[in-house]
Amino acid sequence: GQQVQQSPASLVLQEGENAELQCNFSTSLNSMQWFYQRPGGSLVSLFYNPSGTKHSGRLTSTTVIKERRSSLHISSSQTTDSGTYLCALERYNAGAKLTFGGGTRLTVRP
Amino acid sequence: EAAVTQSPRNKVAVTGGKVTLSCNQTNNHNNMYWYRQDTGHGLRLIHYSYGAGSTEKGDIPDGYKASRPSQENFSLILELATPSQTSVYFCASGDLGGYAEQFFGPGTRLTVL
Repeated sequence: GQQVQQSPASLVLQEGENAELQCNFSTSLNSMQWFYQRPGGSLVSLFYNPSGTKHSGRLTSTTVIKERRSSLHISSSQTTDSGTYLCALERYNAGAKLTFGGGTRLTVRP
Repeated sequence: EAAVTQSPRNKVAVTGGKVTLSCNQTNNHNNMYWYRQDTGHGLRLIHYSYGAGSTEKGDIPDGYKASRPSQENFSLILELATPSQTSVYFCASGDLGGYAEQFFGPGTRLTVL
């Protein structure tokens, strides 16, 4: 089965609303990395988070290894936040290889 | 932050032809990776390398070869391109694992006719 599952697959918000994106994993990990991708664009690293909580502006990442989950919280969403958010698990003892989730497509309406 | 560049950015190839995708990184990272991204499959690892002269098979290596002639350069080679290899290809670099964040290039859109 899939090692990394993201939810929801898609999300539509009104500008100003908050979003909580989830990533659940079924295998041991070294770390979780979150990326942002615009349609047709490259992947921009948002967080590299082995455990605990990290903040960057309106974004917060929390990884709880015991519960095998990681989340990305976006507060006060803006239309420019629209795009796809990907989580990727750095597999434990596997040479820094990443296994990606399927992504959450976020649309923020004005 | 690592600077990763890819060339070409777009490529149209014919079935059976040879295609070489190039990647260059300027932050002296040891590890480099090639992924492809397809709708319905997400990003999947094709080949990776731990340093100059090394290449390793990823999760979907069939039909692809890789070459790492130097710390900075990592190529993906399609000896006999097929339409099923039409995709967007991303190169990434990162330091030695564990706890190694990866940085991605802009991608190459390959169409095999």
